[in-house]
Amino acid sequence: NAGVMQNPRHLVRRRGQEARLRCSPMKGHSHVYWYRQLPEEGLKFMVYLQKENIIDESGMPKERFSAEFPKEGPSILRIQQVVRGDSAAYFCASSHSSGSTDTQYFGPGTRLTVL
Amino acid sequence: GENVEQHPSTLSVQEGDSAVIKCTYSDSASNYFPWYKQELGKRPQLIIDIRSNVGEKKDQRIAVTLNKTAKHFSLHITETQPEDSAVYFCAASSNNAGNMLTFGGGTRLMVKP
Repeated sequence: NAGVMQNPRHLVRRRGQEARLRCSPMKGHSHVYWYRQLPEEGLKFMVYLQKENIIDESGMPKERFSAEFPKEGPSILRIQQVVRGDSAAYFCASSHSSGSTDTQYFGPGTRLTVL
Repeated sequence: GENVEQHPSTLSVQEGDSAVIKCTYSDSASNYFPWYKQELGKRPQLIIDIRSNVGEKKDQRIAVTLNKTAKHFSLHITETQPEDSAVYFCAASSNNAGNMLTFGGGTRLMVKP
């Protein structure tokens, strides 16, 4: 039973480039969440998606950041024109249903470094 | 929105002692409170969770208590072992705030052998 998968595990980009982070939820899960973790800090919610729908993007910066979860394939978090402040670990989590009490399981994260 | 405060930020205990980490939350509608353990460079792993219809839950050496009136919940680890050393995060979520988890700032637990 494969857990939440994320790739790449490490990503290095120069300022101004684009970063694409992928997340495949656990088998049977159709709800995906993206969180950002800055060094020595807690996780901060960014966006919540279901298949083909963005449910809540209240934690995602309005500019340069976008997310999708297509009918087929992984969820993608896209950061355009990266800046040094985007350097962080980006974790996705998945859950089976939409209830607020449903357990979220985390992937291994993508560590983005912006040079 | 929800705000979760976690204390202490660092905790050092001797192997075999107990460790207690406390969290408070602001949204009275919050009804789910998970605890995650994160080792250096690894993913957050769920270790225990509690829902608002119970006041206490125990799993071997780990227990969580919830006081909805006071809006706080705590993690208790008994008979600590060196492998318990990690950063622990509490979180809260509610139907009113969608399904997002709001995390505390984390507690770095160090268990000295």
